[in-house]
Amino acid sequence: SQKIEQNSEALNIQEGKTATLTCNYTNYSPAYLQWYRQDPGRGPVFLLLIRENEKEKRKERLKVTFDTTLKQSLFHITASQPADSATYLCALDRGFGNEKLTFGTGTRLTIIP
Amino acid sequence: AAGVIQSPRHLIKEKRETATLKCYPIPRHDTVYWYQQGPGQDPQFLISFYEKMQSDKGSIPDRFSAQQFSDYHSELNMSSLELGDSALYFCASSPAGGHSYEQYFGPGTRLTVT
Repeated sequence: SQKIEQNSEALNIQEGKTATLTCNYTNYSPAYLQWYRQDPGRGPVFLLLIRENEKEKRKERLKVTFDTTLKQSLFHITASQPADSATYLCALDRGFGNEKLTFGTGTRLTIIP
Repeated sequence: AAGVIQSPRHLIKEKRETATLKCYPIPRHDTVYWYQQGPGQDPQFLISFYEKMQSDKGSIPDRFSAQQFSDYHSELNMSSLELGDSALYFCASSPAGGHSYEQYFGPGTRLTVT
């Protein structure tokens, strides 16, 4: 069965440091991997999408890598701030367009001032 | 910018009652998705619609049904509610044409079944 694991259920990082979150998947060949941010009681908010033929994607302080050989994506937040504290979800889809997302288990990130 | 609208935001029902959740996608978005998120869990896909036709179906109980209307809004109908149906229900939409793959989520409806 499809399984998507985010290695850390919770992660505490000192403000100003780089936070690195991991998403691993098995029995799955996604074409697109997405990262979302979710605050308590709110809907997920899209952050970044990376395609299987892309190794790295950046947006402001965010960076995502995608290694289809290792079946792993890394999500980095540089110069972390307390406002970055949230749950981060990775999600996979096959890239056919207008498809359901299969979410990972999520990592609850806390940035400590 | 316009966002996905869901109503109601909170709903309390008793066991065996019915509930209807509504979703209004972002204008010009033709695909709507429904997800269920239990406490401490990741969102689980229920069902989706593209151009008013069901496009995919996930782990949606037979007690639930949904449809997308001509104005692209969608409704999720839940009958014979059970305690285990208590969860956050999110609607998401994505733009027409299928060339953009990210989904835009609404604020959710918190359903509590007592």
